Amino acid sequence: KAGVTQTPRYLIKTRGQQVTLSCSPISGHRSVSWYQQTPGQGLQFLFEYFSETQRNKGNFPGRFSGRQFSNSRSEMNVSTLELGDSALYLCASSFNRGGFADTQYFGPGTRLTVL
Amino acid sequence: QQQVKQSPQSLIVQKGGISIINCAYENTAFDYFPWYQQFPGKGPALLIAIRPDVSEKKEGRFTISFNKSAKQFSLHIMDSQPGDSATYFCAASRDTGFQKLVFGTGTRLLVSP
Repeated sequence: KAGVTQTPRYLIKTRGQQVTLSCSPISGHRSVSWYQQTPGQGLQFLFEYFSETQRNKGNFPGRFSGRQFSNSRSEMNVSTLELGDSALYLCASSFNRGGFADTQYFGPGTRLTVL
Repeated sequence: QQQVKQSPQSLIVQKGGISIINCAYENTAFDYFPWYQQFPGKGPALLIAIRPDVSEKKEGRFTISFNKSAKQFSLHIMDSQPGDSATYFCAASRDTGFQKLVFGTGTRLLVSP
């Protein structure tokens, strides 16, 4: 079974631009979560989508948004990029059988650099 | 209330030794505690996880010890190998349908040959 895939793997943008990152979950997984990883703040939860609905959101500004499609693929968007948005963005998928925490499988991440 | 504290920040262990990483949490609503291993250039991968109804869980060379009253849990890597050199993250979440992990700050482990 193929793992979680994320595209692109690397991205360089300038301040003020916007960016869209893509995540394809493991086949059959319905939940997709996004995390930001930085040396200073570590791994922080951004949001989670399940059946095309955002179920949970972390403490990030509204510039960070996402969506999920009917095939469970997910995208996240960051508008008006700031230098501090430079990070590794990780996507994780889980089957989410309902009612309890399920194993989250992470993709390799998208390395975003904002200049 | 959402914080998970992890120590040490870095650890050097000789091959064959025991690596021990500790985590403490504040939110008593947490009831799922996984450990993730991350190699450079890769995403985190689940190593082992525990729920508070047991005090210890062992999978191969990896053991989680859990102390509910102290709100602490730890990862023990027995017979540490150079291939175990990686960054380890503890995490916690509520055992609900929401998939939101709160991560510790990570421990960089180096196993010397």
